[in-house]
Amino acid sequence: AAGVIQSPRHLIKEKRETATLKCYPIPRHDTVYWYQQGPGQDPQFLISFYEKMQSDKGSIPDRFSAQQFSDYHSELNMSSLELGDSALYFCASSLYRTSGGYTDTQYFGPGTRLTVL
Amino acid sequence: ILNVEQSPQSLHVQEGDSTNFTCSFPSSNFYALHWYRWETAKSPEALFVMTLNGDEKKKGRISATLNTKEGYSYLYIKGSQPEDSATYLCAFLSGNTGKLIFGQGTTLQVKP
Repeated sequence: AAGVIQSPRHLIKEKRETATLKCYPIPRHDTVYWYQQGPGQDPQFLISFYEKMQSDKGSIPDRFSAQQFSDYHSELNMSSLELGDSALYFCASSLYRTSGGYTDTQYFGPGTRLTVL
Repeated sequence: ILNVEQSPQSLHVQEGDSTNFTCSFPSSNFYALHWYRWETAKSPEALFVMTLNGDEKKKGRISATLNTKEGYSYLYIKGSQPEDSATYLCAFLSGNTGKLIFGQGTTLQVKP
């Protein structure tokens, strides 16, 4: 079965550079979520999209932006990178159900490990 | 601030032992509780989504229960095997937008 695809898997950047992380959801899934997991920390919610519209926003820095495209893939753009942005970035996808809303399973990708030097 | 707590933080058992972990979450505004199994360098694998008080779900040797009134869920593994070694994460669905709040995980090591 197709899973969530994230690219790249690993990324090394210098401080103040920009980075773009991509997420391809499971086919037919209409909702995408981004999570950030710093070293030794729990995954933290960043932002989510349903049908190309932002559905919720967490503690995402103003330097980060994201969007969901017409083919439902999503990109997380990160500018003016800081050392503290080094983390594992997960994308998850799910199918919104009229009966259950957003309670359906979120399927996670393998993550992109970003290292900022 | 919503807190999701998992205990214990780590667990070492022998092959064949049965074990269980706890996830505590806010008992108000409950929508769902998710359990994931996560092996290093792999995607977190969805185990269960629990939505109703008293829910019991089972997948092979792994089962989970849910008590929304007191705000806890138990994950049980019967007859642990070395391949069960992983970090088990629970996540509380905060509000009806899909935002998950994760616990810190319980890392299980099963010795052959």
